Amino acid sequence: NAGVMQNPRHLVRRRGQEARLRCSPMKGHSHVYWYRQLPEEGLKFMVYLQKENIIDESGMPKERFSAEFPKEGPSILRIQQVVRGDSAAYFCASSTGPGNSPLHFGNGTRLTVT
Amino acid sequence: GQQVMQIPQYQHVQEGEDFTTYCNSSTTLSNIQWYKQRPGGHPVFLIQLVKSGEVKKQKRLTFQFGEAKKNSSLHITATQTTDVGTYFCAARTSYQGAQKLVFGQGTRLTINP
Repeated sequence: NAGVMQNPRHLVRRRGQEARLRCSPMKGHSHVYWYRQLPEEGLKFMVYLQKENIIDESGMPKERFSAEFPKEGPSILRIQQVVRGDSAAYFCASSTGPGNSPLHFGNGTRLTVT
Repeated sequence: GQQVMQIPQYQHVQEGEDFTTYCNSSTTLSNIQWYKQRPGGHPVFLIQLVKSGEVKKQKRLTFQFGEAKKNSSLHITATQTTDVGTYFCAARTSYQGAQKLVFGQGTRLTINP
């Protein structure tokens, strides 16, 4: 039973380019969360999605960032016109539901903006 | 929004010593979860506490949920080098009926062998 799959593991972008981060949840999981982590810091909530719905995007910057979880295919976190401050590890997690379900995390995508 | 405060931020111990991290909230929590993240790795779910005053054990790890359900602790007895990592508590916070999981700042444990 495959876990949460994130790709790419490492992504290098120049300032101004777009970054697309992909996340395939665990089989049977319909809830996806994206978190951002700076080196030696905590996990900052960005967005919570269900299939075809954004449930809570209160942690996501209003500009340049967007997320989707289509009916078919992985969840995508898109960062347009990246800046150096976007460099971080981005973790995706999935769960079976919003209640007491634990989160299962992917290995993360390390984004470096040069 | 609801926040969970976690202390200490860092803890360095000698191998064999005990370790404790604390998590506090200003509001009553419905439940609390604990995760461990090894250096360079991803967070891994350890346990969930739901009931007031609940105590759960996993080998050398003891998890407690306060009577008022506003605080929690993780205690490791006789640390080993495999315990190195950052320990996070996490709690659900409601937003328009949905529930996102908010993490504490984490306690980074380093161990001197």
